[in-house]
Order: sequence, then C-alpha cells, then structure tokens
Amino acid sequence: DQQVKQNSPSLSVQEGRISILNCDYTNSMFDYFLWYKKYPAEGPTFLISISSIKDKNEDGRFTVFLNKSAKHLSLHIVPSQPGDSAVYFCAACNDYKLSFGAGTTVTVRA
Amino acid sequence: EAQVTQNPRYLITVTGKKLTVTCSQNMNHEYMSWYRQDPGLGLRQIYYSMNVEVTDKGDVPEGYKVSRKEKRNFPLILESPSPNQTSLYFCASSLSRGRNEQFFGPGTRLTVL
Repeated sequence: DQQVKQNSPSLSVQEGRISILNCDYTNSMFDYFLWYKKYPAEGPTFLISISSIKDKNEDGRFTVFLNKSAKHLSLHIVPSQPGDSAVYFCAACNDYKLSFGAGTTVTVRA
Repeated sequence: EAQVTQNPRYLITVTGKKLTVTCSQNMNHEYMSWYRQDPGLGLRQIYYSMNVEVTDKGDVPEGYKVSRKEKRNFPLILESPSPNQTSLYFCASSLSRGRNEQFFGPGTRLTVL
C-alpha cells in the first residue's frame, strides 16, 4: 500500500500562473520530505525539501508547504515557465528509507 | 563531472536468465539506492545501502539482490528475472541518508520476455 500519494496525475497551467502540486502521506514516522523533477529519458533531479519541524521552505520560484496535522504537503511554482513542464515526484523519508508518490505531470501552456 | 552511471541503459532478456545492472558514482557518497519506476506507481525503493557492506530492503526487494563491496559501486542482481520485473530502473546516491539530495543515474530500461 502506497504511503505517499499524489492524487492528481496531471496538471495543466498557463505560463506565468501558479502551479500547485499536492501530496498526502500516511506514515507519521516520516520526518523529511522532498520534491523531485523528472524530464523524459532522464533520471529525477532534486528540487526542494522540507524538514518536519518546519511548515514552509522557499527556494526561488519554488515553495513547499507542510501541514503535519493533515499529513499533507504542497509544492507551489510561481510563476510557471515552459521549462517547468515535467513529472514531479513527492518523496517522504524516514531515516534511510524513501517512499515516493506516483508523480504529477505538469504541462505549462504558452 | 559528478555523476551516477548505470549500465546497460537498455536490456531485453528472457525469463530466468541471470543479469546484473551496474551502478557507479564518483562523488564519494555513502548512501546508494535502487528504484524501479512503473506507470501509476511512481518510484519504488528496491534496496538501499548506508555504506560499504551495509544494505537493507526497501519496499519491493523480492526477486532482487544487491551488494556493496566498494563505496562507488552498487550493482543490482536479478538471479532469475520474470516478466513482472520489466520496468525502468534508477540508481541513486547521496551523502549519507535518504533525506539528503539524491543524485540519480539516467535509468535502465529492462524488458523480460
């Protein structure tokens, strides 16, 4: 049973607007969360992360929010750019083990 | 250039024929891990290694073996491949733990007939 869920398989957004990607988890032992981005025919690349002791982390256009009580995190991309079109994976970590969601495919329209 | 390499990139094989997918990193990372990516399931961790000679199971270890005899190498072994192991495989490494940024290899597309 998947412990990390991304319930939206795809997201289409206009260039310049905000993209919001959501992720839910079930295991309360997870203490670190990461987002990875993947282009076709390439391996995933790290995007941004957040510790469970924080509720927000920002890096340029990317912000991750964590709501521990709801076991929910989200990734905001503002403004969205054509190069952001990719698959985004949410991941949750408990020490050495890492669990990923199924991914959300983001398409940024011109 | 800092990188994780995997070989082969593509492999078509038959059921039961033992195979090894190699993984090597040049960043002196302690932590290495193998994942498989399947449609609708995302990335699932197969095995991980915290350091040389220290390995542990991920979420889907059945049918796979690993070894970590040297820090830079972490091969994935399929002793008797079956069609349900047809997948896209990624090797990754990071400084010390899963919470550190992981660097992924380019992937190995495996088809078992």
